[in-house]
Amino acid sequence: EAQVTQNPRYLITVTGKKLTVTCSQNMNHEYMSWYRQDPGLGLRQIYYSMNVEVTDKGDVPEGYKVSRKEKRNFPLILESPSPNQTSLYFCASSGSYNSPLHFGNGTRLTVT
Amino acid sequence: AQKITQTQPGMFVQEKEAVTLDCTYDTSDPSYGLFWYKQPSSGEMIFLIYQGSYDQQNATEGRYSLNFQKARKSANLVISASQLGDSAMYFCAMKGDSNYQLIWGAGTKLIIKP
Repeated sequence: EAQVTQNPRYLITVTGKKLTVTCSQNMNHEYMSWYRQDPGLGLRQIYYSMNVEVTDKGDVPEGYKVSRKEKRNFPLILESPSPNQTSLYFCASSGSYNSPLHFGNGTRLTVT
Repeated sequence: AQKITQTQPGMFVQEKEAVTLDCTYDTSDPSYGLFWYKQPSSGEMIFLIYQGSYDQQNATEGRYSLNFQKARKSANLVISASQLGDSAMYFCAMKGDSNYQLIWGAGTKLIIKP
């Protein structure tokens, strides 16, 4: 089944403790992206990647890192999480310009 | 600058009635694509329908159709014969010319009443 898999679904952590949210897609998509969703602010793009080893900042990249060493994987790294990074995070991928983004099921992160 | 506007923060609709969710957009790109996504309370984002700016006909996918009026820059989602399971947030989004990035609207919360 074609899908984007994010893990974990839920994560509670403390300020400053490094964490990684994994994202993997099995559709051979070139484009992958990370979003965060906050009430009243909608979906905001954190980082995106057009292909392996090609990543770029989105609208809200501060406090996040990404890597794209393989086409299928696009992990999101929070080196030193802070409470303002408490949010719902989505990974998404797309195969071509006019095809839709396929989303993972989301990761609900709480930083205390 | 590109922009998506969804003017209805929330809507209540009686079950089995048709629903129209509004979406207007602003872009100077000659080529663009418009998408609608559904987000139920469980949180996942579900793709519903796509309309390309050069598509001659309005897109349809089952009970979903897109009322695309290019001159008015509107791309309203129409859901026919609404069901309780249609209760969710609905987002309109746009891709600009030769660009994978999506511009998102603020969303409309749809509640279907039995």
